[in-house]
Amino acid sequence: NAGVIQTPRHKVTGKGQEATLWCEPISGHSAVFWYRQTIVQGLEFLTYFRNQAPIDDSGMPKERFSAQMPNQSHSTLKIQSTQPQDSAVYLCASSLGVLSYEQYFGPGTRLTVL
Amino acid sequence: QQKVQQSPESLIVPEGGMASLNCTFSDRNSQYFWWYRQHSGEGPKALMSIFSNGDKKEGRFTAHLNKASLHVSLHIKDSQPSDSALYFCAVSTGGIFFGDGTQLVVKP
Repeated sequence: NAGVIQTPRHKVTGKGQEATLWCEPISGHSAVFWYRQTIVQGLEFLTYFRNQAPIDDSGMPKERFSAQMPNQSHSTLKIQSTQPQDSAVYLCASSLGVLSYEQYFGPGTRLTVL
Repeated sequence: QQKVQQSPESLIVPEGGMASLNCTFSDRNSQYFWWYRQHSGEGPKALMSIFSNGDKKEGRFTAHLNKASLHVSLHIKDSQPSDSALYFCAVSTGGIFFGDGTQLVVKP
């Protein structure tokens, strides 16, 4: 079991460009979560899916961020017109369920917006 | 909205010492509590869960939950330099909420 896989590990974009981050959850896990981590804001919840359906996107900045889970083997987080304040480590996690289940985190994608 | 606060922000303990990390939450309906640990450059990894009031011990780690006091804590006995990491408390009730973390440094 390779664990949660996130690609790329590092991404550098110019201001105004688009960034797409990929996550491959652990096989058999029904829930996938996205978080953003910065020194200043800490670990922020963005959104999660259960059985590929979007359940809660209350943490997502509405205008430029979107997440999808087109099949059970991967999820994407897309940021349009990236801004320097989007620079962060984006973490994906998966779990067997939601509330009482352990989340398994990937290593994260470090996004740097110049 | 659930608020989860951790203290202290940072903690330095000598090798072999006891580290005590605290977490308070605001929603009395909270049901599930987890402690996660994150080493530099990695994603967080679950350490242990606690769902009932009282103590739960796993090796050198003991979690304590008091729902009436809205408080959960983690105690690390015989701390090792490899325990140096960022520790998060996570609370589940309708959603999953993480605290801001406690940075633990164990000095040899």
